[in-house]
Amino acid sequence: AQKITQTQPGMFVQEKEAVTLDCTYDTSDQSYGLFWYKQPSSGEMIFLIYQGSYDEQNATEGRYSLNFQKARKSANLVISASQLGDSAMYFCAMYDYKLSFGAGTTVTVRA
Amino acid sequence: ETGVTQTPRHLVMGMTNKKSLKCEQHLGHNAMYWYKQSAKKPLELMFVYSLEERVENNSVPSRFSPECPNSSHLFLHLHTLQPEDSALYLCASSQGLAQASYNEQFFGPGTRLTVL
Repeated sequence: AQKITQTQPGMFVQEKEAVTLDCTYDTSDQSYGLFWYKQPSSGEMIFLIYQGSYDEQNATEGRYSLNFQKARKSANLVISASQLGDSAMYFCAMYDYKLSFGAGTTVTVRA
Repeated sequence: ETGVTQTPRHLVMGMTNKKSLKCEQHLGHNAMYWYKQSAKKPLELMFVYSLEERVENNSVPSRFSPECPNSSHLFLHLHTLQPEDSALYLCASSQGLAQASYNEQFFGPGTRLTVL
């Protein structure tokens, strides 16, 4: 069974606008971590943001914020004020006993 | 060198060749990982090493053979590969296999492998 679901294969966003990337997960563990990674065309996976299952506040890192809804098992990534350099593939991942990745969402930022 | 490095960045090989991918981490981490990323598929965890011992092998064919001589280096030896093995192979490291939820993995740039 798929643990991480990203339903948006691709998205277009206008420069300077915000974009929300969806992620839902499935686990029976109480303790787990949620990650978002960015993968530009160069291939390297770049860590963006982390949310622990016991964290009460939504995580924020600069222009990235994670909208964590535990009851819905949802961990959406919000990128504010999009920049051309944000064009990349974005992966949601969950660590319970190992790191499992979603299929990814391709984001293209238009000028 | 900082972070996680991988060599080569690109590799083209025939099905009868033997080659090796190399990963090196400069972060003082104790766990290292190999992932395979094929087109339009989620990242697949292949192998996990913790303190130089293999702790996970996700039903990977024997034509892929990992080696972890020390906590800083990880190799993936390849032999008699198939065209469907063409993919991006990513190496990652983390501080350890955390019991708690936080286990940030740092990734290398990957080796893009093409099997002819």
